[in-house]
Amino acid sequence: DIQMTQSPSSLSASVGDRVTITCQASQDISNYLNWYQQKPGKAPKLLIYDASNLETGVPSRFSGSGSGTDFTFTISSLQPEDIATYYCQQYDNLPQYTFGQGTKLEIK
Amino acid sequence: EVQLVESGGGLVQPGRSLRLSCAASGFTFDDYAMHWVRQAPGKGLEWVSGISWNSGSIGYADSVKGRFTISRDNAKNSLYLQMNSLRAEDTALYYCAKDIGSGTFWGQGTLVTVSS
Repeated sequence: DIQMTQSPSSLSASVGDRVTITCQASQDISNYLNWYQQKPGKAPKLLIYDASNLETGVPSRFSGSGSGTDFTFTISSLQPEDIATYYCQQYDNLPQYTFGQGTKLEIK
Repeated sequence: EVQLVESGGGLVQPGRSLRLSCAASGFTFDDYAMHWVRQAPGKGLEWVSGISWNSGSIGYADSVKGRFTISRDNAKNSLYLQMNSLRAEDTALYYCAKDIGSGTFWGQGTLVTVSS
């Protein structure tokens, strides 16, 4: 089974800061990686698919990069509404998909 | 408008069974794979199971393999999760999700509580 190691588990940053979250797969998953945002009491929302593609309607301050085993999610300029928990998810290893442990993002 | 409405959750004793349903509308249901994802209270997301558009490919997380069965009825635009031998650690909000990549859509979830 493919394991996803996401870090950090929590992060505190100021409005306007550049924020980076990483996700490492236990084996090569090509670019089969999603990034989700989840706000309290809400279903997760897809932000990035195929490692680097921005989902329709998602602000351009969100971006993703990487392939193989190492992936990065970036918010270029943190906004107050970005406070949420972020998850990576691999979908290469059919028929099992796995999420990272999540990163809780807070405002400093 | 895409809609996914989960139902069937509730309080159940350990060892008992429960069947979740997900009613889909607003898209061509049999064009898409469907998935169940759960979230225990205060915890992260866990992919539970997925099924291809024609039920030809099915997968389960190791934590539920042998106990849970996913199925779909394309004529009824519905997805199901039969959960047997339930354990306390199965307590979670269960989400139904359309596909995984671009265009994915999630329901609001149904809560399953396993407790005596």
